[in-house]
Amino acid sequence: KAGVTQTPRYLIKTRGQQVTLSCSPISGHRSVSWYQQTPGQGLQFLFEYFSETQRNKGNFPGRFSGRQFSNSRSEMNVSTLELGDSALYLCASSLDRNLGSPLHFGNGTRLTVT
Amino acid sequence: GQQLNQSPQSMFIQEGEDVSMNCTSSSIFNTWLWYKQDPGEGPVLLIALYKAGELTSNGRLTAQFGITRKDSFLNISASIPSDVGIYFCAGQGHYGGATNKLIFGTGTLLAVQP
Repeated sequence: KAGVTQTPRYLIKTRGQQVTLSCSPISGHRSVSWYQQTPGQGLQFLFEYFSETQRNKGNFPGRFSGRQFSNSRSEMNVSTLELGDSALYLCASSLDRNLGSPLHFGNGTRLTVT
Repeated sequence: GQQLNQSPQSMFIQEGEDVSMNCTSSSIFNTWLWYKQDPGEGPVLLIALYKAGELTSNGRLTAQFGITRKDSFLNISASIPSDVGIYFCAGQGHYGGATNKLIFGTGTLLAVQP
């Protein structure tokens, strides 16, 4: 069974630009969550999608947005990039939102903002 | 951002030694998870714990869900070089109900000398 797939693996953008990251969950998984990982803040929750609806949102500015498609694939978008947005962005999928469905992570997209 | 207290921050041990790390929170969780992250990759799920007091093993790894639901520990027995990496605890279900929002610990860096 293929794991969580994230594309692209690496991305370099300039301040002020916008970026879209993609995530394909494990087959059959309907919940997708996004996390930001930085050396200073560690792993921080961005948002969670289930059945194409955002179910939960972390404490990030509105420049961070996402969506989920009917096939459970998800994208996240960051507009007006800032230097501080440089991070590893991780996508995780789970079967559903019940507590017995642990999250499985992809290998992330490394975003560098210059 | 919110992070759980995880200790120790780093460990440098000899191959064959046992390792113990723990995670504490000021809030209760319904689920505790332990992940391992290798450089350039996403976190890989090691063990999931769903009940207070639960003790679960996965090969040489053993983890326990604290009775108070505010802590968890992970033990690795007879460490080997491939155990090197960063270990994260994560709490889930902080607010009760269904959620895939994880609160992560600060991480424990494990180095194993052959």
